[in-house]
Amino acid sequence: QSALTQPASVSGSPGQSITISCTGTSSDVGGYNYVSWYQQHPGKVPKLMIYNVVARPSGVSNRFSGSKSGNTASLTVSGLQAEDEADYYCSSFTSSSTWVFGGGTKLTVL
Amino acid sequence: QVQLVESGGGVVQPGRSLRLSCAASGFTFNTYGMHWVRQAPGKGLEWVALIWYDENNKYSADSVKGRFTISRDNSKNTLYLQMNSLRAEDTALYYCARAGTPYGAGQSPFDFWGQGTLVTVSS
Repeated sequence: QSALTQPASVSGSPGQSITISCTGTSSDVGGYNYVSWYQQHPGKVPKLMIYNVVARPSGVSNRFSGSKSGNTASLTVSGLQAEDEADYYCSSFTSSSTWVFGGGTKLTVL
Repeated sequence: QVQLVESGGGVVQPGRSLRLSCAASGFTFNTYGMHWVRQAPGKGLEWVALIWYDENNKYSADSVKGRFTISRDNSKNTLYLQMNSLRAEDTALYYCARAGTPYGAGQSPFDFWGQGTLVTVSS
């Protein structure tokens, strides 16, 4: 149950787009379309942003999108806004019927 | 509206036990799987355990296997985490979270989270 690999930090200017990667193995990310992404502002509870690789819960901005290729999933945030500055975590269902999170990525809006 | 309220955290010595609770409301509790997720101070999220809606299946992370037990009482709309043989590295904010699809087989994302309860393991 090794954690999924995410970059520690990414940054972008308002209006730009950024992409956060999440790399696992064929036993998790690559084997299932059950990858989800969570946003966490400091001191706050995580919020579901993307599930099943590409689906967006009701109420989440369409500036957030997900994709997957092989063992790597990605979260793209387009039209960056100041309020997008937060920590982002990916998560995947695994072949052991467990879940695993990535180490988290700090998004800074310059 | 969906509400999840954790309780039972506190300061405990290494090797001791603690039981966390998560009171659920605003949805049909006995149709949803439930998770525990923890976050050490200043660190990332770590999945801890999952229990299916009907209690028939339970899964846990290797880091807590044999020490932590997840359970639920559907008659009380409450989720539990029994934590034994606690270690310093178990110090974290413990969240309960709902698996977002009724009658799901555990693959659903964590769609609602509680505010968490803090567990500190220290002598």
